[in-house]
Amino acid sequence: DVKVTQSSRYLVKRTGEKVFLECVQDMDHENMFWYRQDPGLGLRLIYFSYDVKMKEKGDIPEGYSVSREKKERFSLILESASTNQTSMYLCASSLMGEVGQGKTEAFFGQGTRLTVV
Amino acid sequence: GQNIDQPTEMTATEGAIVQINCTYQTSGFNGLFWYQQHAGEAPTFLSYNVLDGLEEKGRFSSFLSRSKGYSYLLLKELQMKDSASYLCAVMDSNYQLIWGAGTKLIIKP
Repeated sequence: DVKVTQSSRYLVKRTGEKVFLECVQDMDHENMFWYRQDPGLGLRLIYFSYDVKMKEKGDIPEGYSVSREKKERFSLILESASTNQTSMYLCASSLMGEVGQGKTEAFFGQGTRLTVV
Repeated sequence: GQNIDQPTEMTATEGAIVQINCTYQTSGFNGLFWYQQHAGEAPTFLSYNVLDGLEEKGRFSSFLSRSKGYSYLLLKELQMKDSASYLCAVMDSNYQLIWGAGTKLIIKP
């Protein structure tokens, strides 16, 4: 089974702190994603990466950065945490498959519930 | 803009059938996904449709009409464990997933 592991299930950080969220996948997937999920809103893409050292901004990249030094690991960084970054953060990975082959579904980690106080 | 619409909440009875609808307007279309998410847990993949028609997988079926920008997820023989949120997502022309806000399904005995 594909496994996507996020380093923490729950985190509480203070405003202004630098926060690192780590994600590791064990299925050699090319694509990795960071989303945040808030009540009443769909999953919103923060950043994604389709290869080592490659990164692309998603819909809401402001206040975040990412790092992908190894294929299996994708880190999300909050440079200076703010209370409006309190959210559930979900990491996902997927194959770089051809559309229509049904192999491009994303596999998610268990999520990190971050509270910034 | 891109938009995915699905009902916020639905209630159904154990043993019954429920249909969760999803309508979409996106820049291009490269397939539609349904995911299940139990409270406090990660979404898990249920189904993928890229061609019109019905895909059946056990108690769950998913239907797609590309001309209407419409899909539904059909759940039969409902069980209490089916209480969860169901997320609809469309892959657009840039191969990015656009997500709906999810439908919370409540199953009553």
